Amino acid sequence: KNEVEQSPQNLTAQEGEFITINCSYSVGISALHWLQQHPGGGIVSLFMLSSGKKKHGRLIATINIQEKHSSLHITASHPRDSAVYICAVLITSGTYKYIFGTGTRLKVLA
Amino acid sequence: KAGVTQTPRYLIKTRGQQVTLSCSPISGHRSVSWYQQTPGQGLQFLFEYFSETQRNKGNFPGRFSGRQFSNSRSEMNVSTLELGDSALYLCASSLAPQGYASTEAFFGQGTRLTVV
Repeated sequence: KNEVEQSPQNLTAQEGEFITINCSYSVGISALHWLQQHPGGGIVSLFMLSSGKKKHGRLIATINIQEKHSSLHITASHPRDSAVYICAVLITSGTYKYIFGTGTRLKVLA
Repeated sequence: KAGVTQTPRYLIKTRGQQVTLSCSPISGHRSVSWYQQTPGQGLQFLFEYFSETQRNKGNFPGRFSGRQFSNSRSEMNVSTLELGDSALYLCASSLAPQGYASTEAFFGQGTRLTVV
């Protein structure tokens, strides 16, 4: 079992839909990142969370430390949101390092 | 403010050769981390440098090495290339070392290495 699990793996939505991507982890962490990767490879850091909730434009990220779970929500989705969304946790056991989820491939249709 | 710059963007090498990739962090950032992304394994942590010292290392063979210079620029070297080393190599920079919860990492566009 992977230490970081994302769901769903693939998601197709119609423009305007509300989207939720989930991330569950099984290790102790000091922070969790949500990353966005467009075709071509470059990665953009969307949020870094250690507790609670953050909002930026149409994106909302939440984390529940007790339940070891985070969600990324996209309101009023748009075709330009089509990308791979990756959850990355910064683990605290031993040395600090990032462990990544396998990503959620999102396609938003016009 | 310039972002994280990785060079080259694309590279083709043959098996057995060695390769050096470069990462220039955001000005003022002293931590640089390297990651390998492959379709089969996803993103995996290679190593982290802070103030010219390697702080952490992932589970990669000794063929993968790196260094950081006094200006915080970092290089990653892979010797005796294998076909399985074909991947997107990403670096990320941050002000403080990984492990500081308030530290956000900024990623570069990556170097796509193809080994033939």
